[in-house]
Amino acid sequence: KQEVTQIPAALSVPEGENLVLNCSFTDSAIYNLQWFRQDPGKGLTSLLLIQSSQREQTSGRLNASLDKSSGRSTLYIAASQPGDSATYLCAATQGGSEKLVFGKGTKLTVNP
Amino acid sequence: DAGVIQSPRHEVTEMGQEVTLRCKPISGHDYLFWYRQTMMRGLELLIYFNNNVPIDDSGMPEDRFSAKMPNASFSTLKIQPSEPRDSAVYFCASSSRAGHLNTEAFFGQGTRLTVV
Repeated sequence: KQEVTQIPAALSVPEGENLVLNCSFTDSAIYNLQWFRQDPGKGLTSLLLIQSSQREQTSGRLNASLDKSSGRSTLYIAASQPGDSATYLCAATQGGSEKLVFGKGTKLTVNP
Repeated sequence: DAGVIQSPRHEVTEMGQEVTLRCKPISGHDYLFWYRQTMMRGLELLIYFNNNVPIDDSGMPEDRFSAKMPNASFSTLKIQPSEPRDSAVYFCASSSRAGHLNTEAFFGQGTRLTVV
């Protein structure tokens, strides 16, 4: 059974700082791993999808890496802005299925 | 495409009543997922469908919950009878598969259910 853990649960940084969010998963037989953003009272917005054969994906100021052997993924946010404040969720598929298992998220606050 | 559409956005009902949540996936997507989100447990998968067929319903809490997908453009999640502990935000998501690769999952805005 896949279990996904995100550390830290909350993070507060000053504007302009580069930061890293961590995600670990127990079952390395994944199809893919996805990072989402959730604003308060809203749905989830997909940020990046990394297929199991890939090592990283980039979109603008975001870069996500995947290391299946160690069961880890990181989301790097460059030059953080107050608009980046949200909860960031990591989700990994459960071995041999399309079922996405979510971590509890990291609540990010970027202070102006 | 308008994205994944869920209705209603908010539902308040009394304990014991039947509740039906609705979802329209993105056109062309062949996977549909129902999730529940609470503060205590986070996001939990309830059930998912592939080509309208339920594949994994191991997350459905109990017999009070049922889900159907009568066609590729519509799914329902029904709770009968509802209980206060069912209060949560229910999300629907859809994705597709191209060859051996899955596309990203797109989520609806959710239905906030309150059972009093």
